[in-house]
Parts: sequence; C-alpha cells; structure tokens
Amino acid sequence: DADVTQTPRNRITKTGKRIMLECSQTKGHDRMYWYRQDPGLGLQLIYYSFDVKDINKGEISDGYSVSRQAQAKFSLSLESAIPNQTALYFCATSDKTGTDTQYFGPGTRLTVL
Amino acid sequence: RKEVEQDPGPFNVPEGATVAFNCTYSNSASQSFFWYRQDCRKEPKLLMSVYSSGNEDGRFTAQLNRASQYISLLIRDSKLSDSATYLCVVNTGAGSYQLTFGKGTKLSVIP
Repeated sequence: DADVTQTPRNRITKTGKRIMLECSQTKGHDRMYWYRQDPGLGLQLIYYSFDVKDINKGEISDGYSVSRQAQAKFSLSLESAIPNQTALYFCATSDKTGTDTQYFGPGTRLTVL
Repeated sequence: RKEVEQDPGPFNVPEGATVAFNCTYSNSASQSFFWYRQDCRKEPKLLMSVYSSGNEDGRFTAQLNRASQYISLLIRDSKLSDSATYLCVVNTGAGSYQLTFGKGTKLSVIP
C-alpha cells in the first residue's frame, strides 16, 4: 500500500462549488504539505503543517483552507472553486528529524469549469 | 531573479549518452539541495540529495558549488527509463523545511 494517499484522484467541478481534497499518510511523519502544479511551472506551496496544532500559509494560500484532523490526515478545501484553480494538487510529508526529504502522494487532478 | 532556475530543456539524447543538467539558486542561506524525478502526470520522487562534497549513485552524479550557487546532475549511459522531468529542489528556509522547486528539465532518451 502507498505511504501517502490522496482522494479523489480526479475531480471535475463547477465554478463556485466547495471542494475538499484529502490526504492520508502511514509514514508516521509530523509534517504535511499541500502543493499545486501548473503546466510549465514549478510546484507552489499552498499550506503546510508541522503538527496538528501548527498550520501555516504557503506562497499561494488565497482561496484555499486546510484542516489537520490528525497526525495522519491533512485536507485541503477550495471554498468557492474558480477556473484558475484547475491544476494538479500534491500532498507531501516529511519527518521532523533527519533530512528534509519530502514524500509525495500520487496527486489529484482538479478541473474547475 | 527566480529562486531556483533550471535549464528549460527539453533534452533529447540517444541511449548511452551522457547528459548534464544545471540549476542555480538565489538564496545563499540555502541549506539543503535535492534532485527529484517526475514522470509524466505522476508525483515527484527523490532521486538524490546533493552534498557539498559531491555524491554519486550508480550512473547519477550530483555536484554542489556553494560559491557559485550552482547545482548539477550528470547522468551517464542514459537509459530509455531515464526519460522524465528532473526537478532541482532547494531548501531556502532557515530550518523551516520549506522546499522551493525549479520548473524542471525534461529529458527524453531516444532508442
């Protein structure tokens, strides 16, 4: 089984709808991240969480919110989806000790019409 | 200046060729450096960390030049399976473990 899972894997929705993307991990890592990737661009950090009570905005947090329900779960919400939020979304985890290597989930492809 | 810049590519090379990718970063306080590999529509996966002394993993060699703020990746004896996008990644935080990703360089190895 994959260490980092994301649901759904693909989603098509309409402008104005509220969408939640979920991420779960079995790696036992404390730190979790949400990124988006657009064609031809690098990954951009949306939010990150160093533990259940520590959530921080990344470089492009506007229009997004997150919830860290447990050490293993980190959800990303689009309160009112808009077409320019169409992108590939990745969740990642890292351990607070040792290296800062990040491990990514398989991604969610979101299309906002 | 962008924080992490890479050769845009694409690089189209024959099997068996040696290919090198370059990357520059703007924050001199950067502490950690990585190369990730991303296959089409898949998640990025760590290829290797980059150490000051340089490091090698099989056909892959990574180099770091802190004075020039420059990172390189050398792939020898290219295989078809090496076709992917290679992402240069830098920890630009001060222990915050935030990573900054380059846009990636696409490699196609041709039979």
